[in-house]
Amino acid sequence: GAVVSQHPSRVICKSGTSVKIECRSLDFQATTMFWYRQFPKKSLMLMATSNEGSKATYEQGVEKDKFLINHASLTLSTLTVTSAHPEDSSFYICSAREWEGGEETQYFGPGTRLLVL
Amino acid sequence: AQSVTQLGSHVSVSEGALVLLRCNYSSSVPPYLFWYVQYPNQGLQLLLKYTSAATLVKGINGFEAEFKKSETSFHLTKPSAHMSDAAEYFCAVSPSLYSSASKIIFGSGTRLSIRP
Repeated sequence: GAVVSQHPSRVICKSGTSVKIECRSLDFQATTMFWYRQFPKKSLMLMATSNEGSKATYEQGVEKDKFLINHASLTLSTLTVTSAHPEDSSFYICSAREWEGGEETQYFGPGTRLLVL
Repeated sequence: AQSVTQLGSHVSVSEGALVLLRCNYSSSVPPYLFWYVQYPNQGLQLLLKYTSAATLVKGINGFEAEFKKSETSFHLTKPSAHMSDAAEYFCAVSPSLYSSASKIIFGSGTRLSIRP
């Protein structure tokens, strides 16, 4: 299957700083990527849909000014957590959509664990 | 609106025993259904997906799931559990695989433990 990478895999930052997380599709082009957040022992919550060359679509309750998404190329989407606070600590997972034979498959990255002190 | 409900947040079976993880869905349109597995501190791996072809879907690692419309269920099974199957399993639903607007909605997850 296709491969999606995330960088960094783990990041610790001070409260008030901003953190950028990268999501890359390594062997396919993805016009659409998705960002999820997962709390400990909980399910994945879709935060936003990232569309190449246009603005991201945020789910209800997700602050777009807090979680900045940029999808500048067909293989890269970034999530920036601005002015991070301890409550932003979480496991962030991205996925990239691949179209093949008119059908889509989503491939997930390995996740980024963010700890805000 | 679509949703999935996973019955049982934690399932424990003995090694070699049958694995049964339950999932029921709710959908106003014919659904596409998925099972994903997540190992500790890792992302998600697709086990199998139902796309309205055969109702019995075979996946990786010996898992399979059966789509039952009358019961709105998509339970995941494996005849004989292996220690390496210990992980978190997520059932998920999507309204479409052919639309740029499709989104995958995840269930709450079931943690599978394997007893030696």
